Amino acid sequence: AQSVTQLDSQVPVFEEAPVELRCNYSSSVSVYLFWYVQYPNQGLQLLLKYLSGSTLVESINGFEAEFNKSQTSFHLRKPSVHISDTAEYFCAVSEGGGSNYKLTFGKGTLLTVNP
Amino acid sequence: GAVVSQHPSWVICKSGTSVKIECRSLDFQATTMFWYRQFPKQSLMLMATSNEGSKATYEQGVEKDKFLINHASLTLSTLTVTSAHPEDSSFYICSAPGTVNTEAFFGQGTRLTVV
Repeated sequence: AQSVTQLDSQVPVFEEAPVELRCNYSSSVSVYLFWYVQYPNQGLQLLLKYLSGSTLVESINGFEAEFNKSQTSFHLRKPSVHISDTAEYFCAVSEGGGSNYKLTFGKGTLLTVNP
Repeated sequence: GAVVSQHPSWVICKSGTSVKIECRSLDFQATTMFWYRQFPKQSLMLMATSNEGSKATYEQGVEKDKFLINHASLTLSTLTVTSAHPEDSSFYICSAPGTVNTEAFFGQGTRLTVV
């Protein structure tokens, strides 16, 4: 069975500082990896995903994540955060693909950006 | 991208009553919908998988008779919380696999409060 571990439940940082949100997974087969962002009382929005190809994936708002197969990690990074990045971030994994896949989520990391 | 619309966004009901939550795929057909439950400051836990035209598949520990799922058409899945109790208060989120096999699209979520 697959599992996802987000090592930090909360990460407070100052505006314009760099940030890294850690994510490790375990799976016996090939996986697809995702980062979702959730703002208060809202659903989840896809931030970025790794399906295949380049191990470094980027989002349009400056976040990036690197798939490291040997370390089974998919850490999320941003070189300079904004107040508006304050939200809950979830790492997720699915095994295989197809139209009936299921996502397994980590417990989430609350990123709080302070002025 | 694909849009999943979930309604209502929040609902307050009395203990013992039933509440229906709707999840619609607006610009694509979804033969499968996933229903998740999220407790405060916790991750999303998959409750069940609804399948158009057939019975839903429930995860271990989820009461089928309490959480009734209906997937009557390719664009609508519903979750009915029957005889709701305060412990059923939670954030419920639906999601559907989109046109890309390995990406999910989430509804906005429903905040259920049972008083």
